[in-house]
Amino acid sequence: AQRVTQPEKLLSVFKGAPVELKCNYSYSGSPELFWYVQYSRQRLQLLLRHISRESIKGFTADLNKGETSFHLKKPFAQEEDSAMYYCALGADAGGTSYGKLTFGQGTILTVHP
Amino acid sequence: EPEVTQTPSHQVTQMGQEVILRCVPISNHLYFYWYRQILGQKVEFLVSFYNNEISEKSEIFDDQFSVERPDGSNFTLKIRSTKLEDSAMYFCATNRDYEQYFGPGTRLTVT
Repeated sequence: AQRVTQPEKLLSVFKGAPVELKCNYSYSGSPELFWYVQYSRQRLQLLLRHISRESIKGFTADLNKGETSFHLKKPFAQEEDSAMYYCALGADAGGTSYGKLTFGQGTILTVHP
Repeated sequence: EPEVTQTPSHQVTQMGQEVILRCVPISNHLYFYWYRQILGQKVEFLVSFYNNEISEKSEIFDDQFSVERPDGSNFTLKIRSTKLEDSAMYFCATNRDYEQYFGPGTRLTVT
């Protein structure tokens, strides 16, 4: 069974402070991990995925298979980073990467001025 | 940039009524999905659809639910006889290059 855990429902930091949003997963296959973000009144949008290993808006995430984690980090938070962040696990579907996403509960990040 | 669109944005219906939620996928995307999010809970997978058939469905997706792509553009989710517990936000998503693009959602309220 696939499971994604985001232990923090709420996270508050001040502008300029480092931020880390935690994500742990459980999956017997080869995981594909994603971070999605939902800004106020906007749709879910992909922030980053572990396959691309790129940094988006200053955020990075490293897949740690030993700890089954995919924590999202940013060294200096900005007020515009305030949003809901979802960690998601993609299942492979018959050898493709078009399977369903399993989401965590989400973490509301608030960056104070 | 092309986006997934969903209609209506909000639907209020009485228990036992049928509802149809509509999604227009991004053109040239081939994989389609429905997810739902009950207020305060996580986003949950309902069903995936490829090549005009269901490729996977969750235990939530029982006989009351159906999906189809009637005209080659719209992708619809039908709930035959709504229950109070079907009240949720329903998201359509389409997939290209391993990235799922989400629509804005339809808020379904069953009274």
